[in-house]
Amino acid sequence: GAGVSQSPRYKVAKRGQDVALRCDPISGHVSLFWYQQALGQGPEFLTYFQNEAQLDKSGLPSDRFFAERPEGSVSTLKIQRTQQEDSAVYLCASSLGGIIGRTEAFFGQGTRLTVV
Amino acid sequence: QKEVEQNSGPLSVPEGAIASLNCTYSDRGSQSFFWYRQYSGKSPELIMFIYSNGDKEDGRFTAQLNKASQYVSLLIRDSQPSDSATYLCAVNHEDSSYKLIFGSGTRLLVRP
Repeated sequence: GAGVSQSPRYKVAKRGQDVALRCDPISGHVSLFWYQQALGQGPEFLTYFQNEAQLDKSGLPSDRFFAERPEGSVSTLKIQRTQQEDSAVYLCASSLGGIIGRTEAFFGQGTRLTVV
Repeated sequence: QKEVEQNSGPLSVPEGAIASLNCTYSDRGSQSFFWYRQYSGKSPELIMFIYSNGDKEDGRFTAQLNKASQYVSLLIRDSQPSDSATYLCAVNHEDSSYKLIFGSGTRLLVRP
């Protein structure tokens, strides 16, 4: 595709509800990243995939957060039992390789999650 | 203290002036340094990156890196109103080069 596509663009969830956020990376991009951006802050790393392998999930805030990329393309970030502190923009990025600096990470438009 | 620090701004400059955006980082293992621009409600876009001490120029933009002082800056020459955005500084480490560590960003306002 032309760029990284995320859906939905906006999601309102009641506290305690489960949500699933989708990311379609740029075709052929091996690496995929999820970041969380709170209002007025910079993005914070959540997790990194190389193809279907989740190589780093150290940034996931709690065990309520789960990410997968089963076929090495589309990825889903799932948040169980959402809490108000989960309200943020969730950004997905993809790149050809895993060394950012030798390759560029392209970001999607993000999903704005509001937990009420 | 955050690993990457930026003044939140807003930094206000008149059109045509040079805008100077600054960033400090705390980890001496930082390898590469990135400047992203983010318009309100949009995704971050890479402006440029630098990994060697000194200056790197790309059009109206110049990145400056001083590893001894743990300082990186972005100069925007001939600032335009369309440059008004939040500028995010980011770093990565040699042992986790896939991971970008961002500052909170500096909001730049270019007055016509």
